[in-house]
Order: sequence, then structure tokens, then C-alpha cells
Amino acid sequence: ETGVTQTPRHLVMGMTNKKSLKCEQHLGHNAMYWYKQSAKKPLELMFVYNFKEQTENNSVPSRFSPECPNSSHLFLHLHTLQPEDSALYLCASSQDGTSGNTIYFGEGSWLTVV
Amino acid sequence: GEDVEQSLFLSVREGDSSVINCTYTDSSSTYLYWYKQEPGAGLQLLTYIFSNMDMKQDQRLTVLLNKKDKHLSLRIADTQTGDSAIYFCAESIGAPRDTGRRALTFGSGTRLQVQP
Repeated sequence: ETGVTQTPRHLVMGMTNKKSLKCEQHLGHNAMYWYKQSAKKPLELMFVYNFKEQTENNSVPSRFSPECPNSSHLFLHLHTLQPEDSALYLCASSQDGTSGNTIYFGEGSWLTVV
Repeated sequence: GEDVEQSLFLSVREGDSSVINCTYTDSSSTYLYWYKQEPGAGLQLLTYIFSNMDMKQDQRLTVLLNKKDKHLSLRIADTQTGDSAIYFCAESIGAPRDTGRRALTFGSGTRLQVQP
């Protein structure tokens, strides 16, 4: 039990579909993140939200659209994806200002684009 | 720029010690982390070390930091088959309140295989 819950754990979608990944953290943290993990690249930071405001967008294509309605929930809306977007998408959270900036990860959502 | 490098694979026998190495390039790193990822799972934080320390021990885990060489290592004593996983080194740059640079930069991970 990591305190960061992601749903769905597995998702298969066509290139014309619209779907969303959901993340919820139960740790009382004020910062949330989306990372992408694929076989070809190390973990890539996608987005950072701090107190519901986006503080970093790491040159992510617009077909990925994040939403952070409150400090406990984070969504990643997916639209018109490409097969190369197939990857493990990891959500994480941390508490700004604490020692270590320790980031806690969810179990991830496995996305396959067909 | 930020770059974290690790060797890709390490194989050890059960009961031996494992040493996983990591190098980083940014001397302004403030915290360095080790995460473990088991098959099909997310990343689990194992331990972290602040940049003004050179060693941290936590049960079977020992972290050594050589700031001069920008080298970080994770030693696992008495390695067990349950330790088989991918181990990621990561660095955090900037002050904790520097929200623009607080996120971690990860290495590509070292796959540890423990043979019975």
C-alpha cells in the first residue's frame, strides 16, 4: 500500500479514443506528478502540479492533457494517441518543503495504444 | 545539464552482497535517492541521502556518496531472491521550495538478478 492509487491499472485504447488516467493520493501531500516509463527511455517527468497549479510541463505533446482539481487528485486525459505512447504512466506525490523532497509513486497505469 | 547513469545489469548469488553504482553530473544535487521496482509494479522508495552526508545505513542497505566523484552506490547485504528487481538512482536538484526544479531525475535503472 503506497498511499498513491492509480486507476485503471491496465488500459488498451485505439488511436482515435479518448480516455483518462486517474490518480489519488491519501498522504496529505501538496504536489503531484506524472511520469512516463517506457522500455526505450528512463523515467521521464511529464507534469508537476503544486497546490493544484501546474508548475512544470516537460514539453509534453498536447494529446496528453493533465487536470488537477484538488491537491489529492490528478488526471491525465488522453486523446488521439500514437502507438509509441504505449508505456507505464506513473503518478507520484510529495510534500513541498519537507526534507528529502521524497516522492511516493503509485503502482502505475499500463497503457497500450493500438 | 542533468544526467544520471547506471549500469544496466547485475547478477549475484543469494547471500552475497550486491553493489549497485550510479554517477550523476550535476554538482548542485541536494538529495539522492534509491528506488526499487519489482515486475509489474510502481517505484518503491528504498532510501535517500542528503548531499552533505557520505554514508547512510538502514538495515541491509548502505548508501555511500562520493561528492567529489559524483558517485553514489547502494550496497545490499545478504542479498535474497526477493531483492531481484530494477533499482533506480535519482537526484533532486534545488531547494525543497524551488517548485520549478523539485522533481527527480532518474537513471535508466539497474536490473538485479539474484541466483539461488
